[in-house]
Amino acid sequence: AQSVTQLGSHVSVSEGALVLLRCNYSSSVPPYLFWYVQYPNQGLQLLLKYTSAATLVKGINGFEAEFKKSETSFHLTKPSAHMSDAAEYFCAVSANNQGGKLIFGQGTELSVKP
Amino acid sequence: GAVVSQHPSRVICKSGTSVKIECRSLDFQATTMFWYRQFPKKSLMLMATSNEGSKATYEQGVEKDKFLINHASLTLSTLTVTSAHPEDSSFYICSARVPPTSGRANEQYFGPGTRLTVT
Repeated sequence: AQSVTQLGSHVSVSEGALVLLRCNYSSSVPPYLFWYVQYPNQGLQLLLKYTSAATLVKGINGFEAEFKKSETSFHLTKPSAHMSDAAEYFCAVSANNQGGKLIFGQGTELSVKP
Repeated sequence: GAVVSQHPSRVICKSGTSVKIECRSLDFQATTMFWYRQFPKKSLMLMATSNEGSKATYEQGVEKDKFLINHASLTLSTLTVTSAHPEDSSFYICSARVPPTSGRANEQYFGPGTRLTVT
């Protein structure tokens, strides 16, 4: 069985500050891990993914995430927040033996203050 | 590449009627599509897995006779909400899985969503 926990349903940062969104996972098999972003009333856009290659994954819009097996974590970071980063962020896990099904975390709403 | 569309983007229907939502992969073939439901300020709940040419696989607690899924071609899956009631009002999102042969393991691309309001 797989699960994802996102710590903090809401994170607020100032423009230019570091963004850190936390994600911990549980998986009985080697996981694939994803971060998606959702803007209001829209679908989800893939930010980045981990698929057992490099543990530090770079994505779009300056985001990156590091897979840490010992901590079962896949936290999302961005060095400097922009106002346009304000959105809902979802961490998700899947496994090859699950037919590609994604299990989502609860989501973290990111607010960026001017 | 990897664009998924949904139609309609917004629909209002009366209680007791049925509504069909289409999900299309525009530039790739998707043997597997997924349907999710999202409540306000909530995460996505997987409703069912739609496989081309076979019956959909529903998640526990999802009524298969109420949420009819058809995946008739490699680029189209439809979700029909039958005899809709106000509690079915929600944001429905589909996704399409890229082919396993693409080398992009387990990636899914999401449609823009359909806002259903049942009055």
